[in-house]
Amino acid sequence: NAGVTQTPKFRILKIGQSMTLQCTQDMNHNYMYWYRQDPGMGLKLIYYSVGAGITDKGEVPNGYNVSRSTTEDFPLRLELAAPSQTSVYFCASSPRQGAEFFGPGTRLTVL
Amino acid sequence: AQKITQTQPGMFVQEKEAVTLDCTYDTSDQSYGLFWYKQPSSGEMIFLIYQGSYDEQNATEGRYSLNFQKARKSANLVISASQLGDSAMYFCAMREGMFSGGYNKLIFGAGTRLAVHP
Repeated sequence: NAGVTQTPKFRILKIGQSMTLQCTQDMNHNYMYWYRQDPGMGLKLIYYSVGAGITDKGEVPNGYNVSRSTTEDFPLRLELAAPSQTSVYFCASSPRQGAEFFGPGTRLTVL
Repeated sequence: AQKITQTQPGMFVQEKEAVTLDCTYDTSDQSYGLFWYKQPSSGEMIFLIYQGSYDEQNATEGRYSLNFQKARKSANLVISASQLGDSAMYFCAMREGMFSGGYNKLIFGAGTRLAVHP
């Protein structure tokens, strides 16, 4: 099992550009999550999904969108990137409300 | 009020010694789960150990054990025989309502940075 995979690993965006962070898991977990981690800080939940076709907002959803068309995939879309979105983004999945397993992260810089 | 408190911003330990990382939590739920994660300098978040509120025995996973004291609402991580590779940030986390039907988010503490010295 690859677990949770994320692409890309690194990305630099210009202000106003858009991009999609990809996330795939092969553990057949129903629950998936997107977090951001700012330098020296803890994790903040952006969006989560409890199953295909179901998504909901976390603590910091503004400026982001998600979709969940399959159990495996949970892409995160950034529209009109801003410097405040410079962060490390983690995707995670879990079996219902068990331990969350994280992907390796995407380091995003917005200049 | 903080739901998860990690009072030690940084800890040092000598290689091969044991170290305890503190975590206290605040909840009125009866069913909850406690988790520890490790984040090395490479950045990934690694799940270490889980303790359910109804579990009577302390959880153990290899060199990791969780010292669960329910009445004191503490869930300290004990790492035995520290290794240089244990140097990392460690996060304690809690999920309330573990056996309810809805979703409850994982609440993270601020973390403790552990440095293992040779």
